[in-house]
Amino acid sequence: DTGVSQDPRHKITKRGQNVTFRCDPISEHNRLYWYRQTLGQGPEFLTYFQNEAQLEKSRLLSDRFSAERPKGSFSTLEIQRTEQGDSAMYLCASSGTGQETQYFGPGTRLLVL
Amino acid sequence: AQSVTQLGSHVSVSEGALVLLRCNYSSSVPPYLFWYVQYPNQGLQLLLKYTTGATLVKGINGFEAEFKKSETSFHLTKPSAHMSDAAEYFCAVSRKGAQKLVFGQGTRLTINP
Repeated sequence: DTGVSQDPRHKITKRGQNVTFRCDPISEHNRLYWYRQTLGQGPEFLTYFQNEAQLEKSRLLSDRFSAERPKGSFSTLEIQRTEQGDSAMYLCASSGTGQETQYFGPGTRLLVL
Repeated sequence: AQSVTQLGSHVSVSEGALVLLRCNYSSSVPPYLFWYVQYPNQGLQLLLKYTTGATLVKGINGFEAEFKKSETSFHLTKPSAHMSDAAEYFCAVSRKGAQKLVFGQGTRLTINP
C-alpha cells in the first residue's frame, strides 16, 4: 500500500494557461474524489468517481474544469483558461467500496499569476 | 444539507496541557463524523471516525472524540499536548451512502513550550 499519490506537487502558471493534475489512488480502491482547499479554509468537494464513472459534480466545478478517470485507475483534473481565483491546493482522495474512510494524497498546490 | 462549524480558528495550549478542539455539525440524517489532521504542505491524515456504535472513539496519537447527538457535537480531545501535535485540524461530516465529506473551516493548534 503506497498511498494516494499526486503529481505535480506544485504548479505555477500564468493566467489563461491550461493545467492538468494527476492522481493515483490506492490500488484496490474503486472510488476517487477531488477536493479544493483555499488558504485558511477546509477542503471543498469538487467531484467523485466510482470506477470510470463520474457520479457527482459540485457546482464549484465550472465548465473550465474537467475530470476524467478513463480506466478506473488514475484520474486527471484539467483546468482550462486558468484564473487567479483558481489558486488553491487540489486534493485527491480514494476509498474502497463500502468504506466510509477517504485516504488523501499530498495535494497539488496551484499558483496562478 | 450537512454542515460543520469548528469553534475557534486558532487554539494555543502549553505542552502537557489538555487539548480541546470543538466541532458542531448539522445533519438531518444520522451522521458519520471524522477528524483529520493536516501538517504544513501535506494532505489530510485521518485521526479518528464515528459511524455507529460506541460514542467515544479513540484515534491515533492519543486523540479521542465523543459523539453527542443531543448537542450535535463531536469535540476532539487529548489529555496531554505534545509539540508534535501542532498542526491544522479539520472536522468533517458525511452520511451513509453519501460520497462526499463536508469539512469545517479548520482549527490551527499551536503548542507552547
